[in-house]
Amino acid sequence: DGGITQSPKYLFRKEGQNVTLSCEQNLNHDAMYWYRQDPGQGLRLIYYSQIVNDFQKGDIAEGYSVSREKKESFPLTVTSAQKNPTAFYLCASSIFIAAREQYFGPGTRLTVT
Amino acid sequence: RKEVEQDPGPFNVPEGATVAFNCTYSNSASQSFFWYRQDCRKEPKLLMSVYSSGNEDGRFTAQLNRASQYISLLIRDSKLSDSATYLCVVPIGNAGNMLTFGGGTRLMVKP
Repeated sequence: DGGITQSPKYLFRKEGQNVTLSCEQNLNHDAMYWYRQDPGQGLRLIYYSQIVNDFQKGDIAEGYSVSREKKESFPLTVTSAQKNPTAFYLCASSIFIAAREQYFGPGTRLTVT
Repeated sequence: RKEVEQDPGPFNVPEGATVAFNCTYSNSASQSFFWYRQDCRKEPKLLMSVYSSGNEDGRFTAQLNRASQYISLLIRDSKLSDSATYLCVVPIGNAGNMLTFGGGTRLMVKP
């Protein structure tokens, strides 16, 4: 089955620690995205990547970093510089950057205390 | 004005009812629009696209009003399984290639 996987589903960290969220896709999609969703809010774009070895900041990139060394993988690191890291993080992919449909992974719920 | 705005709801309706949501957008250049459905604590999934001529898929109808810059989603004969949050999505940004998500409208269908 083709799809997007994110792990872990739930993640707990202490304040001041960096944490990396995994996102893998086997859909052969060029474009990948990271979103953050807070309770009762829409999705906000953190970073996106159009192609391997390329990525761009989204609307709320401060305190986050990404890499795109392989087409299948787009890990997100939440650094200690992110002021309010507790949120639901969603990874998505699309066949190319302007594609009409994005496919989402199941998300990682990060809690930082 | 937010780029994409939705009434957060919740809309509480009985089974069998017809319910409609609106979504307003600020970028008059946007060409295509979408409705995504998000179940509680799950990922969003594409429900339907919104074409200029409207789009109907079973009990769901999506319409576009360019003059007033809003799109609508109509659900007929509501089912319990329709309970979810419905996200309005508009491509915005360079070349309209980035999707902007509204905050969502929560629907609760009661027996």
